[in-house]
Amino acid sequence: RKEVEQDPGPFNVPEGATVAFNCTYSNSASQSFFWYRQDCRKEPKLLMSVYSSGNEDGRFTAQLNRASQYISLLIRDSKLSDSATYLCVVNDAGGGNKLTFGTGTQLKVEL
Amino acid sequence: EAGVTQFPSHSVIEKGQTVTLRCDPISGHDNLYWYRRVMGKEIKFLLHFVKESKQDESGMPNNRFLAERTGGTYSTLKVQPAELEDSGVYFCASAGQLYNSPLHFGNGTRLTVT
Repeated sequence: RKEVEQDPGPFNVPEGATVAFNCTYSNSASQSFFWYRQDCRKEPKLLMSVYSSGNEDGRFTAQLNRASQYISLLIRDSKLSDSATYLCVVNDAGGGNKLTFGTGTQLKVEL
Repeated sequence: EAGVTQFPSHSVIEKGQTVTLRCDPISGHDNLYWYRRVMGKEIKFLLHFVKESKQDESGMPNNRFLAERTGGTYSTLKVQPAELEDSGVYFCASAGQLYNSPLHFGNGTRLTVT
């Protein structure tokens, strides 16, 4: 079983749609959680951290359920520029930024 | 502020040859990481430097890989001798001193071993 599991997609959605990605992680001792965005042939870039209370940044909302070891990302009013691969990332217990990545979910926003 | 820079951006070498990848972290970042993505797989941790010291090298695949960070500034990752399965994208990232400071990734070096 992979340490961080994501549906690879692709998710093809029309502009303006709301889309949700899910992710599960296996290490119950994991301490911190993130969503990264990676454009084709580019480096991963931090999109947002994920907190137990849920957090929002503009059109993006992230949720964490520690009991179920489940992380989600909701994108509202999707734009063409949101097209990318979204990586679910977990920081192992012990910190030090030893990140464990999911394989990513590909999103394509279309006209 | 200059970001994390990596050189070269692409490298094509033959099996058995040696390649050295270089990473220049963001100035002042003590923490430097190497990650790798092989075709079709997720990005995986290789190792972590704090200044010039190896904090965690548990992700290094085998002894054909040697990472150094002399003087605690830039880092090199040498693969000798390269094998076909070493092909992939090698990312370097740096972070500040605070616990859980966000990682800033470089553009990566795409390595192809033929």
